[in-house]
Amino acid sequence: GESVGLHLPTLSVQEGDNSIINCAYSNSASDYFIWYKQESGKGPQFIIDIRSNMDKRQGQRVTVLLNKTVKHLSLQIAATQPGDSAVYFCAENGGRRALTFGSGTRLQVQP
Amino acid sequence: SQTIHQWPATLVQPVGSPLSLECTVEGTSNPNLYWYRQAAGRGLQLLFYSVGIGQISSEVPQNLSASRPQDRQFILSSKKLLLSDSGFYLCAWSTPRQFQETQYFGPGTRLLVL
Repeated sequence: GESVGLHLPTLSVQEGDNSIINCAYSNSASDYFIWYKQESGKGPQFIIDIRSNMDKRQGQRVTVLLNKTVKHLSLQIAATQPGDSAVYFCAENGGRRALTFGSGTRLQVQP
Repeated sequence: SQTIHQWPATLVQPVGSPLSLECTVEGTSNPNLYWYRQAAGRGLQLLFYSVGIGQISSEVPQNLSASRPQDRQFILSSKKLLLSDSGFYLCAWSTPRQFQETQYFGPGTRLLVL
C-alpha cells in the first residue's frame, strides 16, 4: 500500500550544527507535503509545507527539499538549537481527505 | 486568529466506562475537523473526519464514535472503553472544502484506560 516513511528514527546533532531529516513517500499522486514538529506531550505544530510544483522552499532557519524523481522529502534545520529537540513528522496528502503521517524522527540536540 | 481547544488534557478511566472528549475551534467557520490517535512513540492514525454538522466519516472500525453537534464542535465518544483505547488523542482542523491543505492540531488529550 501507499506509505510515508522516515529513514532515521533518531538523529543526534550538536548545537549549532545543521540537521537534515529525511522522508520517503511512495504515493505517486501526492502533491502536497508538510513537516510537523511535535514536542513531548503536545500536539504537532506546523513547520513548513511544499507543493509538488516546487522543489525547494525556505522558512526561518528551515528548508524543505522535494525530489519527485526518487519520491524523497527532507527538512533542513540551520544552526540547530536545544529548542529544536522534538519528534519531526512528514505528512502527505495524495488526493485523500486527511494526512498520512510517517512514523517520525526524534531529533536530539546535544549542548 | 484561529485557535483549537481540547479537553480534558489528561484522563484516566476504568475499562468499560464511557468516554467523551471534546474539541472546539474558534476563528473559522465550517472547518473540516479530524480526530487522530497516537500511540506512544508512533505516528498518527486518522479515526474520523467531518466536513459539516452531523457529517462524520470513519476511517477505521473501532470502539469509538464521533459527533459534530455544532459547526465548531467535535466530540469523540465511547460507550465502553477498552484497554487498547489508551493513547494520545488529537483533534485537528483545516480550511473548509480544501482537504489538501494544512491541518492544525490541538494540544491533545492523553487517555489511560486501566
